[in-house]
Amino acid sequence: TQLLEQSPQFLSIQEGENLTVYCNSSSVFSSLQWYRQEPGEGPVLLVTVVTGGEVKKLKRLTFQFGDARKDSSLHITAAQPGDTGLYLCAGRTGNQFYFGTGTSLTVIP
Amino acid sequence: KAGVTQTPRYLIKTRGQQVTLSCSPISGHRSVSWYQQTPGQGLQFLFEYFSETQRNKGNFPGRFSGRQFSNSRSEMNVSTLELGDSALYLCASSGNVAPRGYETQYFGPGTRLLVL
Repeated sequence: TQLLEQSPQFLSIQEGENLTVYCNSSSVFSSLQWYRQEPGEGPVLLVTVVTGGEVKKLKRLTFQFGDARKDSSLHITAAQPGDTGLYLCAGRTGNQFYFGTGTSLTVIP
Repeated sequence: KAGVTQTPRYLIKTRGQQVTLSCSPISGHRSVSWYQQTPGQGLQFLFEYFSETQRNKGNFPGRFSGRQFSNSRSEMNVSTLELGDSALYLCASSGNVAPRGYETQYFGPGTRLLVL
């Protein structure tokens, strides 16, 4: 049983397009993190959000934490081939992080 | 600073065998967590060690165990391997200097285990 469900599971888009990845749960999290993982490497932290309704921007990436702290979204503007990778959300409850199922993004030049 | 290192990078074992994986955290980091990553289940938390003590444990059978040494290096052991144990095993270290929930976990490249 996965605490965090991500959608879509796979996404293939053209360079320059916009996209949104969703991370949903019925559980409340004290914080939520987004990671990107490239083949042959471990995940790398992109952002941490803590407050319900919080929005953080990181260049072309916009992260939002739901008001109820149960869900989050990642929006990428004008995607580039370098954005290709596996995007993972991870919610913290108690003393551990629970990871989502992942969204595999491919940006075609 | 050197990143998190894991050895070996690749491993092939047969059912019933046991395996030990090693993780060297970033210098100065005292927290080490282990995760199992599979295509079907994604990343699942195994356990966390802090200053040689297991601080937190995920929902895995007792065949999965770990330990941490005084230099913060950690090992993970899986006994009586099953086919379903084939996965990428990731280790992450944290400096634990940030407020709880804000910790940055630095992941190693993982050990890919194949059980035949």
